[in-house]
Amino acid sequence: AQTVTQSQPEMSVQEAETVTLSCTYDTSESNYYLFWYKQPPSRQMILVIRQEAYKQQNATENRFSVNFQKAAKSFSLKISDSQLGDTAMYFCAFMSDGEGGSEKLVFGKGTKLTVNP
Amino acid sequence: DAGVIQSPRHEVTEMGQEVTLRCKPISGHNSLFWYRQTMMRGLELLIYFNNNVPIDDSGMPEDRFSAKMPNASFSTLKIQPSEPRDSAVYFCASSLVGAVYNEQFFGPGTRLTVL
Repeated sequence: AQTVTQSQPEMSVQEAETVTLSCTYDTSESNYYLFWYKQPPSRQMILVIRQEAYKQQNATENRFSVNFQKAAKSFSLKISDSQLGDTAMYFCAFMSDGEGGSEKLVFGKGTKLTVNP
Repeated sequence: DAGVIQSPRHEVTEMGQEVTLRCKPISGHNSLFWYRQTMMRGLELLIYFNNNVPIDDSGMPEDRFSAKMPNASFSTLKIQPSEPRDSAVYFCASSLVGAVYNEQFFGPGTRLTVL
């Protein structure tokens, strides 16, 4: 079974600075998808960024980017120019490539990020 | 699009009572997922459906939990009888099989408190 580990329960960063959230996973599959979700106090789950395992290029979405190291099974999230609205729980998630069928998301325990003014 | 709709948003009940949570997926989506979020266990899948058929219910804690999807636009998660340890936030998510990344879209969740 796949597992996802987020080793940083809590982190804080000053507004406008850069922060990196860590995530490692364990799988024997060769193709899969990786995601970062944001959960603000409203508890809505919001997709931040996603990566397909066979793509070597790291995904970027505006201020958010990932460092995907397939051999090391590492998928870290970098937030640049942090904003107060980035304060939230961040979850790393893994999804198998279901070959035509939807697959479940396996989540890490989350990292609580606080952006300080 | 209205997104995934869940009801109720909050539910407070007493131990032993039956609880029914409801979900309306995004129109056109053909996969539906029920997740539970607790402090102790984090986010975990309970069950998911493809084309209204249950595919994986290995996450359903015990026989007190049941889920149905009678049609493509509606699903229920029922707990009978409820216990205090069932207190959690329950999320419903939907996706379109074959879409890019099979991205799952989450509803706002139902916060369940069992006294």
